[in-house]
Amino acid sequence: AQKITQTQPGMFVQEKEAVTLDCTYDTSDQSYGLFWYKQPSSGEMIFLIYQGSYDEQNATEGRYSLNFQKARKSANLVISASQLGDSAMYFCAMREGGTGGFKTIFGAGTRLFVKA
Amino acid sequence: DAGVIQSPRHEVTEMGQEVTLRCKPISGHNSLFWYRQTMMRGLELLIYFNNNVPIDDSGMPEDRFSAKMPNASFSTLKIQPSEPRDSAVYFCASSSYRRDEKLFFGSGTQLSVL
Repeated sequence: AQKITQTQPGMFVQEKEAVTLDCTYDTSDQSYGLFWYKQPSSGEMIFLIYQGSYDEQNATEGRYSLNFQKARKSANLVISASQLGDSAMYFCAMREGGTGGFKTIFGAGTRLFVKA
Repeated sequence: DAGVIQSPRHEVTEMGQEVTLRCKPISGHNSLFWYRQTMMRGLELLIYFNNNVPIDDSGMPEDRFSAKMPNASFSTLKIQPSEPRDSAVYFCASSSYRRDEKLFFGSGTQLSVL
């Protein structure tokens, strides 16, 4: 069954340091997409980064990178040089499907606190 | 494009009343999703549509919930009768029909059932 697991309800990181947010997933499909979204206290959902299941290189977007380990079914988000504005809720998501459409489910989220 | 538009932004109602949440997806997107967010359960997928057809409604909690998409530019999520445990933020999201396409979210509807 399709499932996303984020085991860290909350994380603290010192400003300017790097932090890794964990995500593992379960799927029987060979073709799927993995996403990370950020939700600040204002509530909007902001797309951060995408990794396709067939992509051999780890995705990077500015200070965000995705550590994709397909055999372990993990897709951890790495934020480098943390900033105070990175304090938010972070969700890992998986999109899979085919003919009938692409279903996207989310993990429970990790709340990140960046300390000055 | 104005993005995904949800209305109302806030809804306060009494238990037993009917609640209708509305969503206008981004023009050209053919997939539409309804999610519910609570502290306890996170972001739950309630239902999604592809080309206006409901594909998977297994996340709809019970018969009190129903969703429709009469055309490509409009969808509703209805709760009848509403209960206090339905209090949550309801998000609508749309995307194109591609596996690598991100979701575009609306601002959400904060529902409070008293």
